[in-house]
Amino acid sequence: SAVISQKPSRDICQRGTSLTIQCQVDSQVTMMFWYRQQPGQSLTLIATANQGSEATYESGFVIDKFPISRPNLTFSTLTVSNMSPEDSSIYLCSASGGMRETQYFGPGTRLLVL
Amino acid sequence: DAKTTQPTSMDCAEGRAANLPCNHSTISGNEYVYWYRQIHSQGPQYIIHGLKNNETNEMASLIITEDRKSSTLILPHATLRDTAVYYCIALSGNTGKLIFGQGTTLQVKP
Repeated sequence: SAVISQKPSRDICQRGTSLTIQCQVDSQVTMMFWYRQQPGQSLTLIATANQGSEATYESGFVIDKFPISRPNLTFSTLTVSNMSPEDSSIYLCSASGGMRETQYFGPGTRLLVL
Repeated sequence: DAKTTQPTSMDCAEGRAANLPCNHSTISGNEYVYWYRQIHSQGPQYIIHGLKNNETNEMASLIITEDRKSSTLILPHATLRDTAVYYCIALSGNTGKLIFGQGTTLQVKP
């Protein structure tokens, strides 16, 4: 199984600013994913990030708001841009070796926007 | 991606088996049934998965009906640390995406 770390673990930000979240995997993986979990809610998939191609965003999420980078097979970043209090959530990354492989999750980044 | 339906909440006595049901009547042939749990807003933890055969590992057993329209996750001897939200998800073999529903909140009581 893959071990996944995220930085920062939590942050408090002012509205209008941007935050970049890092996701590091301890082994090379094909697929990485970014999720958002709003307070009291389940996880919602933001996008799929595959190395060497543009991220694929789910309905309701756009690249201008959530730009994603995937520079290599062990690392990805998610930026939350021009933040508002509605962006206060837990952001989680996950990784898998392929479409039929098990996904493993990072511990999450807890974001509070004031 | 097939939709799954789970009870909102369940209780279980400590030391007893916890049986968590999941309906996935529209599941297609290449979709796996995956179970994860999330303890107090930590990252989801993988438990077990299966395609059509029953599966067992050190954490749990997964029973899938012959028609694959439903499954049951069994925690054989529940402990207080098993209190969590349990998610049953149909993983598409075409996209690799996990689409989370609301899950079942399992409360293990002493």
